[in-house]
Amino acid sequence: AQKITQTQPGMFVQEKEAVTLDCTYDTSDPSYGLFWYKQPSSGEMIFLIYQGSYDQQNATEGRYSLNFQKARKSANLVISASQLGDSAMYFCAMREPTTDSWGKLQFGAGTQVVVTP
Amino acid sequence: ETGVTQTPRHLVMGMTNKKSLKCEQHLGHNAMYWYKQSAKKPLELMFVYNFKEQTENNSVPSRFSPECPNSSHLFLHLHTLQPEDSALYLCASSQVRKETQYFGPGTRLLVL
Repeated sequence: AQKITQTQPGMFVQEKEAVTLDCTYDTSDPSYGLFWYKQPSSGEMIFLIYQGSYDQQNATEGRYSLNFQKARKSANLVISASQLGDSAMYFCAMREPTTDSWGKLQFGAGTQVVVTP
Repeated sequence: ETGVTQTPRHLVMGMTNKKSLKCEQHLGHNAMYWYKQSAKKPLELMFVYNFKEQTENNSVPSRFSPECPNSSHLFLHLHTLQPEDSALYLCASSQVRKETQYFGPGTRLLVL
């Protein structure tokens, strides 16, 4: 069963504007981690931000912030002041501890972001 | 070199060829991973090595054979591949299995 859902296949955003990328997840474990990665057309997956399930505050890293709503099982990525270099595919991923696979990441299908001048 | 490097970056091979993908991490990590990314599919975990020991094999066909000689190097040996194996193969590493994974630039593989 799909554990990570990204409902937006693609988005256009104007330079300098903020954009929110949606991510919902499914787990029954109280301990898990949520990640966002950026993948430009070159292929490399670039780690952006991490949120632990027990973290009290929403994670922030520069222009990236994670809107973590635990009860709704949602972990949306907010990119503020978009730049042309932000054009890429963005993946949400979840790591949950299981007895046979501690550390396994499950990725969503991704959201393609295009930043326009 | 810094981070995670992968060679070659692009590879074209026939179905009868044997080739190897190489991954090297310069982060002092102890866990390394191979992922496959096909068009229009989520990233799929293939293999996990933790302290040089293979700890996960996600039902990967035997035509893919991983090798981890030390904590810094990971190989993926390929033989008698099929056209459907054409994909981007990504290597990643983490300090230990529960920590953040850092990825290399990937090898784009085309099987003819």
